[in-house]
Amino acid sequence: GQQLNQSPQSMFIQEGEDVSMNCTSSSIFNTWLWYKQEPGEGPVLLIALYKAGELTSNGRLTAQFGITRKDSFLNISASIPSDVGIYFCAGQGRETSGSRLTFGEGTQLTVNP
Amino acid sequence: DAMVIQNPRYQVTQFGKPVTLSCSQTLNHNVMYWYQQKSSQAPKLLFHYYDKDFNNEADTPDNFQSRRPNTSFCFLDIRSPGLGDAAMYLCATSEGQGSQETQYFGPGTRLLVL
Repeated sequence: GQQLNQSPQSMFIQEGEDVSMNCTSSSIFNTWLWYKQEPGEGPVLLIALYKAGELTSNGRLTAQFGITRKDSFLNISASIPSDVGIYFCAGQGRETSGSRLTFGEGTQLTVNP
Repeated sequence: DAMVIQNPRYQVTQFGKPVTLSCSQTLNHNVMYWYQQKSSQAPKLLFHYYDKDFNNEADTPDNFQSRRPNTSFCFLDIRSPGLGDAAMYLCATSEGQGSQETQYFGPGTRLLVL
């Protein structure tokens, strides 16, 4: 089945630093999604990418859909303490019923004030 | 303005006692999903409904059932909860209109089995 490799697994950074995380796959995806999950809450959608090569920003967040359609990265600039959480990438392949997502294993981000 | 609502947020049940978790949505989306998420892991899809069509994942135990009485509501029934079923249960929705879709998650229900 499809698998996503997400790295790094965890990051410990100082407030103000930039952060980069990425996901790679052996399969092609039509959609890449980036979610943030805080303890005790559901994943919240940060950025959705629909086209190969697409670069999209959402405030301090920037994500790109790789040209090969097998990878994506998420950058966070000038991190702040409230950026703490687990970041998941998710890819969607070609489905006829619903849109089954393949999730990465998550990146746990800790920001020290 | 909640779009995907899950009740309750926390549920405690006893070993073997049936429990039902509920999800509702205000997005009028065709597709509703149920995921199980254990600590420090990614969400794992249990099943989904495309409108009234039920799609079960191959490795979802028979102990887990679902009902979707109308577009807005979907229920997760756990017939005989075991200790291993303690987890966060997430509901999600998507439009179901094409091959490029976005799933929106609810806040989850944390299930504790005693």
